[in-house]
Amino acid sequence: DARVTQTPRDKVTEMGQEVTMRCQPILGHNTVFWYRQTMMQGLELLAYFRNRAPLDDSGMPKDRFSAEMPDATLATLKIQPSEPRDSAVYFCASGLAVWDDRPETQYFGPGTRLLVL
Amino acid sequence: AQSVSQHNHHVILSEAASLELGCNYSYGGTVNLFWYVQYPGQHLQLLLKYFSGDPLVKGIKGFEAEFIKSKFSFNLRKPSVQWSDTAEYFCAVNFGNEKLTFGTGTRLTIIP
Repeated sequence: DARVTQTPRDKVTEMGQEVTMRCQPILGHNTVFWYRQTMMQGLELLAYFRNRAPLDDSGMPKDRFSAEMPDATLATLKIQPSEPRDSAVYFCASGLAVWDDRPETQYFGPGTRLLVL
Repeated sequence: AQSVSQHNHHVILSEAASLELGCNYSYGGTVNLFWYVQYPGQHLQLLLKYFSGDPLVKGIKGFEAEFIKSKFSFNLRKPSVQWSDTAEYFCAVNFGNEKLTFGTGTRLTIIP
């Protein structure tokens, strides 16, 4: 049963520290999405990649957030420096885009619960 | 602007009751529609999706949804809910681009 995996599952850190979250998409999927979920804002799309290339990161605070895909099996989301308002659950999702009119179905990972003190 | 609305923020039902959760979107073009469920402390799981064809879509766990284009709606239904259906339900819409726009979610509580 193929799944998206994310590490760490939980992270507690102090304000100002760097946080790196990792995501392993489902093998063969070519699209990776990063979302942030909070009580106040709900689910927000931060960024997404197709074939490892960033397609849209307009939802991401540029000054402190960065997202990369070093290879097809790993996506990272980094926050530096972290702030208390970054506390949220960060979800990664992957999908397989094919070249027709249909969007890919997104499969979500278990999330990283981040608490910045 | 393209948006997704879930007007029911919290729904409380007794077991065996019938369920209908509303989802409306604002966009006149072609859309692709999804319902996801998030059980307490877990990640989002796909319940069902609609791309084209029969507007009545059947998903997992006995859920179904009906796409009514004239009403810009994609309501989720289940004839008889169980305690294990307690979760948060998200409607999501693809507005012809590559992103999904999620509704704010509906929290469903089933009372045994």
